[in-house]
Amino acid sequence: QKEVEQNSGPLSVPEGAIASLNCTYSDRGSQSFFWYRQYSGKSPELIMFIYSNGDKEDGRFTAQLNKASQYVSLLIRDSQPSDSATYLCALTLTGGGNKLTFGTGTQLKVEL
Amino acid sequence: GAVVSQHPSRVICKSGTSVKIECRSLDFQATTMFWYRQFPKQSLMLMATSNEGSKATYEQGVEKDKFLINHASLTLSTLTVTSAHPEDSSFYICSASARGFSYGYTFGSGTRLTVV
Repeated sequence: QKEVEQNSGPLSVPEGAIASLNCTYSDRGSQSFFWYRQYSGKSPELIMFIYSNGDKEDGRFTAQLNKASQYVSLLIRDSQPSDSATYLCALTLTGGGNKLTFGTGTQLKVEL
Repeated sequence: GAVVSQHPSRVICKSGTSVKIECRSLDFQATTMFWYRQFPKQSLMLMATSNEGSKATYEQGVEKDKFLINHASLTLSTLTVTSAHPEDSSFYICSASARGFSYGYTFGSGTRLTVV
């Protein structure tokens, strides 16, 4: 099992809809989880981080963490064409210190 | 805050030459720098972790003599690709964290290396 798994997509949603991006992980001891957005040809930019079970909201974005089920998700409300990008899930592994392990990313397309 | 400046953004070099990439943390002290490589349509692959004043720790399969990393100060880390070959062409990105840094990890803007 991969350490971090994401559906590569593309995930297509209409403008204004909610986009739901999911990520599962294998290390039950993982503590810190991050969502990054990466536009084509650019470096990743941090959207949110979450450490505790439950939901964390920041503007149109909500991160959800369920450590028992080992998944973390990102919801994007009122999706805009400018949200079209690849979304990378990242986390810290047990014993890995503060280095991040990335998933392969999910490509999101928001259509007019 | 938490800005990481990376230069150059693009570089084209001849096979066999060396290329140096710089990453500077502009408004915080980066105790740890991470260097990644990303091939087209693939995710980020960690190459090495460098701590200020210490030797870098390389990931399995990454040649430390080919990818020289220096982290001589809390605001500057460099990656030198030595004797570059076309297969080294990739997108190289640095990322920084600081002790007690609760905002996650900030990435530089990346360097597109093309070896011809």
